[in-house]
Amino acid sequence: EDQVTQSPEALRLQEGESSSLNCSYTVSGLRGLFWYRQDPGKGPEFLFTLYSAGEEKEKERLKATLTKKESFLHITAPKPEDSATYLCAVSDYGNKLVFGAGTILRVKS
Amino acid sequence: DGGITQSPKYLFRKEGQNVTLSCEQNLNHDAMYWYRQDPGQGLRLIYYSQIVNDFQKGDIAEGYSVSREKKESFPLTVTSAQKNPTAFYLCASSLGGGYEQFFGPGTRLTVL
Repeated sequence: EDQVTQSPEALRLQEGESSSLNCSYTVSGLRGLFWYRQDPGKGPEFLFTLYSAGEEKEKERLKATLTKKESFLHITAPKPEDSATYLCAVSDYGNKLVFGAGTILRVKS
Repeated sequence: DGGITQSPKYLFRKEGQNVTLSCEQNLNHDAMYWYRQDPGQGLRLIYYSQIVNDFQKGDIAEGYSVSREKKESFPLTVTSAQKNPTAFYLCASSLGGGYEQFFGPGTRLTVL
């Protein structure tokens, strides 16, 4: 059965303090790994799709990387507006995504 | 603008009532999904549909029902058989199974 574990559960950073979020996964055959951002009371916002080990994608202060067992979401010089819950999900070659529980990020100015 | 809409944003239900949550998309996506999100938990799949007039149960389908009569619409009914329906409900769509999903703004259901 596909599984996704995200760590840490919560992360507090000072503005400008770079860090990384982790997404570990087990899947029979990886079709894609997805990162989302979710603000309180809103639906998740799609950020990235990664398909194969070694792939990287960037958007503003965020960079996602992928290995055969895990993905990292690197946040460089975060700002308070980066505060949100970040969700990771994986897809095998079936019809569903499996989501992790998320990492709650708080960035203080 | 293409996107997914859900209505209402907030919904209150008395015990024993059925309620229907609306989900519409104009992205021309074939697949649509319903998730439930509880505080501190990840998204749990209720039902999904890959094509019109066909749908499958997800991991927590008991007490819920859906229909898919049009490509654009995938309403979810929360029945009185659902023992703990208070939650945040999210609808999503994608090009097909296994592709990235795009989410609506959600409906918060509270049972009084």
